[in-house]
Amino acid sequence: QSALTQPRSVSESPGQSVTISCTGTTSDVDISDFVSWYQQHPGNAPKLIIYDVNKRPSGVPDRFSGSKSGNTASLTISGLQAEDEADYYCCSYADNFNYVFGTGTEVTVL
Amino acid sequence: QLRLQESGPGMVKPSETLSLTCTVSGGSMRTTNYHWNWIRQSPGKGLEWIGRIYSSGSPHYNPSLERRAVISVDTSQGQLSLRLKSVTAADTALYYCAQGPRDFWSGLRHYDFHYMDVWGDGTTVTVSS
Repeated sequence: QSALTQPRSVSESPGQSVTISCTGTTSDVDISDFVSWYQQHPGNAPKLIIYDVNKRPSGVPDRFSGSKSGNTASLTISGLQAEDEADYYCCSYADNFNYVFGTGTEVTVL
Repeated sequence: QLRLQESGPGMVKPSETLSLTCTVSGGSMRTTNYHWNWIRQSPGKGLEWIGRIYSSGSPHYNPSLERRAVISVDTSQGQLSLRLKSVTAADTALYYCAQGPRDFWSGLRHYDFHYMDVWGDGTTVTVSS
């Protein structure tokens, strides 16, 4: 199974919005209701911020939102804040009962 | 509050077997309500899922690693284990264990979950002679 494809980096000014894409195949994202997103700050373990495509765990700000269309899932960060500067990874449940992560996207707040 | 702590040898020689342990505290592994995962991150690289096991049941592995990886769980000890044989420099990475809720039935309705909401801090493994 190949890693899901994400842009290597995105950047935007504080208060603006960024959207990170996560492109998979008909074996994972396209057929899965189970796409999750993880935020990873340098030196820290990943943190779950979106699950089941568009659900937020308790405590995650509502400026984080998820969506999916076909084989591409997306994470949108609205009202970008300095603390949102981190790496973001998508993850999909696949048809072979496995998980596959995305290649990761570095978000820079200008 | 459930906490996970990975531990391992730090350094392993090429062709040897890597053995890691993830110790669970603040909760019980005996419950069947969770699945347990190993994920790794090579230096400067992204996350790679290694495999998953339920408190009771067979494990699932990343196809690229299933010939070398063995994941097991000892609920009595509150530990998750990973053994990776015939390691090479490409196995040098930060190894995480992570937990997520497992599926269950309520009446005729099936609730399924596939995410990892509790992570350990990771343990670094370097493969070098």
